[in-house]
Amino acid sequence: GQSLEQPSEVTAVEGAIVQINCTYQTSGFYGLSWYQQHDGGAPTFLSYNALDGLEETGRFSSFLSRSDSYGYLLLQELQMKDSASYFCAVRRSGNTGKLIFGQGTTLQVKP
Amino acid sequence: DAGVIQSPRHEVTEMGQEVTLRCKPISGHDYLFWYRQTMMRGLELLIYFNNNVPIDDSGMPEDRFSAKMPNASFSTLKIQPSEPRDSAVYFCASSYRTSGGVETQYFGPGTRLLVL
Repeated sequence: GQSLEQPSEVTAVEGAIVQINCTYQTSGFYGLSWYQQHDGGAPTFLSYNALDGLEETGRFSSFLSRSDSYGYLLLQELQMKDSASYFCAVRRSGNTGKLIFGQGTTLQVKP
Repeated sequence: DAGVIQSPRHEVTEMGQEVTLRCKPISGHDYLFWYRQTMMRGLELLIYFNNNVPIDDSGMPEDRFSAKMPNASFSTLKIQPSEPRDSAVYFCASSYRTSGGVETQYFGPGTRLLVL
């Protein structure tokens, strides 16, 4: 079988740092992606890790440990507009582009 | 580029009616994905195409659902007959292969379907 686990909700204050964890169990693993979805909107791509380590894109960073089947999304200098749902998604193969999405983490940023 | 285009944006129909959702992928993308999103089941992949050919339809719930991609710029997802449990947001996404493989999916705005 396959499963992705991430917290259902996280709350943080403006300006803070928050980490959203994702653990996965899949038959076949090629990489881990993160998507952001605002209420009523479409998922949008944030980052992708195929190799162990940290990838940084502005205020957002994503980390992967293949040996631990674990990754996280780190959001720094939180802003109110970061309130959204965040999904981790596993690529099981490098050839297909098919993604298996987690259930999503709802982040609420408070003033 | 206009991004992925979906129509209609909202659809309200009665149980038993046929529903057709439409998608125009980003020009030059050779992968197209159909997803369904509900609170209970999250974001589920229904089917995806590569170069207009269906590659994996294992997520299609049942025979009432069908999808086609007659050319590189158009795809449809059809539900016939529709049932109330089909109520969901249906997303279309497209992508293309880079040197690193198929990494990023670009989602359309979605079609919000309500079956009464």
